[in-house]
Amino acid sequence: ILNVEQSPQSLHVQEGDSTNFTCSFPSSNFYALHWYRWETAKSPEALFVMTLNGDEKKKGRISATLNTKEGYSYLYIKGSQPEDSATYLCALGRDMRFGAGTRLTVKP
Amino acid sequence: NAGVTQTPKFQVLKTGQSMTLQCAQDMNHEYMSWYRQDPGMGLRLIHYSVGAGITDQGEVPNGYNVSRSTTEDFPLRLLSAAPSQTSVYFCASHKGQGRNTIYFGEGSWLTVV
Repeated sequence: ILNVEQSPQSLHVQEGDSTNFTCSFPSSNFYALHWYRWETAKSPEALFVMTLNGDEKKKGRISATLNTKEGYSYLYIKGSQPEDSATYLCALGRDMRFGAGTRLTVKP
Repeated sequence: NAGVTQTPKFQVLKTGQSMTLQCAQDMNHEYMSWYRQDPGMGLRLIHYSVGAGITDQGEVPNGYNVSRSTTEDFPLRLLSAAPSQTSVYFCASHKGQGRNTIYFGEGSWLTVV
């Protein structure tokens, strides 16, 4: 069983703040890491799929980095907006096991 | 563009009843999965399938059965519903072993009383 850990569990920031959170995973036998954005009552929305050590991906104000040797990925949001409020999930492995997520709340 | 379709969207069951959550995808994806979402626990994998005729258990399989008779369909059966199975259920599919985007259904809200 792969242990995918996400921290922090929740985060409250002010509009305009930049923020980041972490997905940690066992570094052995790495295959791929996914980031998803999930709003309550909606389906999770794909953000990034990362496969190589050192990968950096960007989508608008959201970016992610990957370190497979030490077993972590960071998700960054620059200039947070209220519409960024959601739970951010990472998933790992061939059978797509998810972490518990980081719940982000952006206050206007 | 149907993508992943799951039904029903809402269901209330009595303890001990059985039911089937339906899931269908039209993208010819080999991989299909069922997850449940509980507060503070993210998405937990119930069962998954890597192709027609092949299924395997995930993290929380007890109380659920699946089958994969076709590439398109992957129903989830609750054999004897329990209050602990009150949750939101998501069906998902993806191509390949895990380097491709996962596509999710819209979720099924199940309450067991």
